[in-house]
Amino acid sequence: DGGITQSPKYLFRKEGQNVTLSCEQNLNHDAMYWYRQDPGQGLRLIYYSQIVNDFQKGDIAEGYSVSREKKESFPLTVTSAQKNPTAFYLCASSMGQTRVSGRQFFGPGTRLTVL
Amino acid sequence: QKEVEQDPGPLSVPEGAIVSLNCTYSNSAFQYFMWYRQYSRKGPELLMYTYSSGNKEDGRFTAQVDKSSKYISLFIRDSQPSDSATYLCAMSSRLQTGANNLFFGTGTRLTVIP
Repeated sequence: DGGITQSPKYLFRKEGQNVTLSCEQNLNHDAMYWYRQDPGQGLRLIYYSQIVNDFQKGDIAEGYSVSREKKESFPLTVTSAQKNPTAFYLCASSMGQTRVSGRQFFGPGTRLTVL
Repeated sequence: QKEVEQDPGPLSVPEGAIVSLNCTYSNSAFQYFMWYRQYSRKGPELLMYTYSSGNKEDGRFTAQVDKSSKYISLFIRDSQPSDSATYLCAMSSRLQTGANNLFFGTGTRLTVIP
């Protein structure tokens, strides 16, 4: 069954803690993305990666970090420097630059709440 | 001005009605147009995909793109309560050297009343 998985579904963080959100895909997609979704603001791009061991900042990268050591995995760390981290986080993937279609496929999301 | 504008609604219609959802955009380089459906507390799922101008039909759903007006639409015929969700438009341009980034509307929340 091909798709994108995100874990955990719900995550609670105390002030000052770093937390890592997992994203795995078995679609053999080259590109992966992290978005943040807040009510009334749509999706905002945090980081994206076109190939393994390479990634770029999106529109709101401050306070976040990522790694791309494997094609299938693109974890996102929300650091203590992120001032307002409570949000719904979505991971997506697409075939990538060499086969442009524009289509991105999303995981089920992780809801992060800061206590 | 945002790259993509979408009326957030909410929009409530009776079951069986025809629903029209719309987005406007400012970047004439956009060539790929998508509609995503997002149920509450779930990830968006790709509903319709269109390249360049024209219409595309899939069951009860029709997507229209008018590049001359920079306007895209999603029509839902015979709407059902299960269509109640937030609908996001998204679009992108032909890649240059950057990633395959999408520009999203803020989403329109639709409720279909039985």
